[in-house]
Amino acid sequence: EPEVTQTPSHQVTQMGQEVILRCVPISNHLYFYWYRQILGQKVEFLVSFYNNEISEKSEIFDDQFSVERPDGSNFTLKIRSTKLEDSAMYFCASNYPSGTPTDTQYFGPGTRLTVL
Amino acid sequence: LAKTTQPISMDSYEGQEVNITCSHNNIATNDYITWYQQFPSQGPRFIIQGYKTKVTNEVASLFIPADRKSSTLSLPRVSLSDTAVYYCLALTGGSGNTGKLIFGQGTTLQVKP
Repeated sequence: EPEVTQTPSHQVTQMGQEVILRCVPISNHLYFYWYRQILGQKVEFLVSFYNNEISEKSEIFDDQFSVERPDGSNFTLKIRSTKLEDSAMYFCASNYPSGTPTDTQYFGPGTRLTVL
Repeated sequence: LAKTTQPISMDSYEGQEVNITCSHNNIATNDYITWYQQFPSQGPRFIIQGYKTKVTNEVASLFIPADRKSSTLSLPRVSLSDTAVYYCLALTGGSGNTGKLIFGQGTTLQVKP
């Protein structure tokens, strides 16, 4: 079964550094998402992306965050200047065909980001 | 988005059937009840979705009564590997609705030997 992959599985960084989290969505999917989950808390929506542009973003997704689909397969989340509170598990997800909530969303295994 | 309410935690034993009830009193006409499962340190995984009556797949069954104000996820004969958090979501179908999923705290199911 096709799956969403994410790299790295664990990223440790110093506060103020830039990080890029990478995702490879399922190949025929058109809608892409990033979520995060702080340890012990619920999964939170960050951003949705379709047709090379952001379709929706949450209040969490401020100017420090950006997303990009640099080629036909990768989908990245960049955090420009990490803060301690950015420490969390970051999940990439994708779905098809219409990108509505009722389409099954496929999540990757996550990247654990630790900011020191 | 319709608010859903589900128990914070449940315990069960291997081999038992587990029923997790979700309340959604303000569900809208074009909302679908959808359940996701999340194992520790993994991303959520779609389990089942339904609109009315009963839906069954290889993993679970979903019962939705006629008034649609609640629903029950049924897991037959659970095993230790079913220990996970289960999320009930009321999702709006149709065009114009973005795909974002809003997760609550979910129900933490602990299956004991």
